[in-house]
This record gives sequence, C-alpha cells and structure tokens, in this order.
Amino acid sequence: DAKTTQPTSMDCAEGRAANLPCNHSTISGNEYVYWYRQIHSQGPQYIIHGLKNNETNEMASLIITEDRKSSTLILPHATLRDTAVYYCIAQGAQKLVFGQGTRLTINP
Amino acid sequence: DGGITQSPKYLFRKEGQNVTLSCEQNLNHDAMYWYRQDPGQGLRLIYYSQIVNDFQKGDIAEGYSVSREKKESFPLTVTSAQKNPTAFYLCASSRDRGYEQYFGPGTRLTVT
Repeated sequence: DAKTTQPTSMDCAEGRAANLPCNHSTISGNEYVYWYRQIHSQGPQYIIHGLKNNETNEMASLIITEDRKSSTLILPHATLRDTAVYYCIAQGAQKLVFGQGTRLTINP
Repeated sequence: DGGITQSPKYLFRKEGQNVTLSCEQNLNHDAMYWYRQDPGQGLRLIYYSQIVNDFQKGDIAEGYSVSREKKESFPLTVTSAQKNPTAFYLCASSRDRGYEQYFGPGTRLTVT
C-alpha cells in the first residue's frame, strides 16, 4: 500500500470550507484514496473514497489530481462537530495503513 | 440498526491474565479486523479475517489470538504474552477486503 503524507494539524473557522490535503505520490493504479475521521475516543468513521474522478457525498467532496499523486478532502461548511483527526489512506486489496493523520480543529 | 458492537467499553485486568474482547456485527460483512491504537498514534492492524474459519496475522499479532467461528463475531484474546497490552482496541468490518471499513466504538483496556 502506498504511503501518504498529511499535515499534522490545521485550523478552520466554523462555517468556512475546510480543505485537507494529502500526498500519495507512490500510489499505484489499483489503489483507491480513502478518507476516514476519528473523533476523540471513538472509532474511525468512513467519509469518502475515490479512484480517479472527483467524488461527493453528503459529508464531503474528494478532489484527486489528474496524476493521482495528491488529493484534497473538502468539508464545505465546517461545524464544531467536524473537529477530529482525519486520515488519508491509499488502499488496494491489502490492509489499511493508518498514519497519524491531520488534527483538524474547527474554531467558533 | 445495523452496526458493530464492542463490549465492554472499559476493561481492567491484572498483569498475567488473559482477556477476551468482544466484537459483533450485523452488517453481513465477510471481512473483520482488529486494530490497536496507542495515545497520539494511528491504528495498527493486529489480525484480520476474510471469511469464517480463516484469519491472518497483521503487523502486531504477537501476544494476541482470534477466532472466527461465526460470520457475525470476531473475538480478540489479549494473552499474558503481550508485553504492553494497555491500549484502545478497535474492531472493524467491511463487505470484503479492499472496501470501506466500518468501526465499532472501541474497548479501552488497562492492565496493571
């Protein structure tokens, strides 16, 4: 599974869009980009995933660059409840590898 | 409601005792997983199972054992051989390997 690189922490104002970057320059053609988040002391929650095309669901949007070496998770209107650690994972048929993620803090 | 349950939420044991953590899912998922999380760290895979009566070691299987006798259940035993068992343990399931995983609420184990 490809290694991913994320900033350690980010801040965002409530109501604004939160844009979380992820680099996965060694991603292979059959690996999907997955995003999960973990709110303190809870189990991680699946957010979204994609292969090549941009994806959107009720929680977030995922923008993947054309060369697939990086992606951005967008929370369009961040709320205080979006404060969490966000994990970006490049996953094939093998195991998930959770790095340390990005600690996103939404400020009032 | 479909989901994954783990019990108990908090567990305390004395050093040298084996302890079994429960994980049950009613999502009809074939694959199930156990992870360990230490403070400030990401998740590390202990064991996973793709199908009933089959399971594979993950990255940190030493000192742990599992069974998968039923599709719905994947209990984890933390044995006395595990050197640092105090941690947050998370169970997950997915439709199959490579699909998104759904996590339980976790069990926080403290061994003294």
